[in-house]
Amino acid sequence: KAGVTQTPRYLIKTRGQQVTLSCSPISGHRSVSWYQQTPGQGLQFLFEYFSETQRNKGNFPGRFSGRQFSNSRSEMNVSTLELGDSALYLCASGLSSGGTDTQYFGPGTRLTVL
Amino acid sequence: GQNIDQPTEMTATEGAIVQINCTYQTSGFNGLFWYQQHAGEAPTFLSYNVLDGLEEKGRFSSFLSRSKGYSYLLLKELQMKDSASYLCAVRRPGGKLIFGQGTELSVKP
Repeated sequence: KAGVTQTPRYLIKTRGQQVTLSCSPISGHRSVSWYQQTPGQGLQFLFEYFSETQRNKGNFPGRFSGRQFSNSRSEMNVSTLELGDSALYLCASGLSSGGTDTQYFGPGTRLTVL
Repeated sequence: GQNIDQPTEMTATEGAIVQINCTYQTSGFNGLFWYQQHAGEAPTFLSYNVLDGLEEKGRFSSFLSRSKGYSYLLLKELQMKDSASYLCAVRRPGGKLIFGQGTELSVKP
């Protein structure tokens, strides 16, 4: 069974631009969560989608948004990029939402904002 | 509030045993996960505890005490490839995962 895939793997943008990241979960998984990882803050939860609905949201500004499609693939969008948005963005997929099943992470997208 | 504490770094010798502790204070609890993350790679799942007690999986074991807000990850017969960051994460009701800052483990020959 294929794992979680994320595209692109690396991205360089400039301040003020916007970016869209994509995540395809493990086949059969309907939950997709997004995390931001930085050296200073560690792994921080952005949001979770299940059955095309946002179920949970972390403490990030409205510039960070996401959506999920009927095939469970998810996209995350960051508008008006700031230098501090440079990070590794990870998505994780799971079978259910809010339950106790394991979340499996993708390889991440390394975003650099110049 | 919510707080998850782990030691920042640890060093151990190849072949030895190491215990990485994690203490947590969170609003609600729906399980505790341990992940391993090598530099530049994604976190990989190691263990999951929802009930008190010890879960053993090969060289890795994880323990949970919900009343004490405490967990540990035990790594036996350490190998050089075990050098990585180990992340403790608490799952809150509703599904949100709250991560600790991670423990950087260095295994020396």
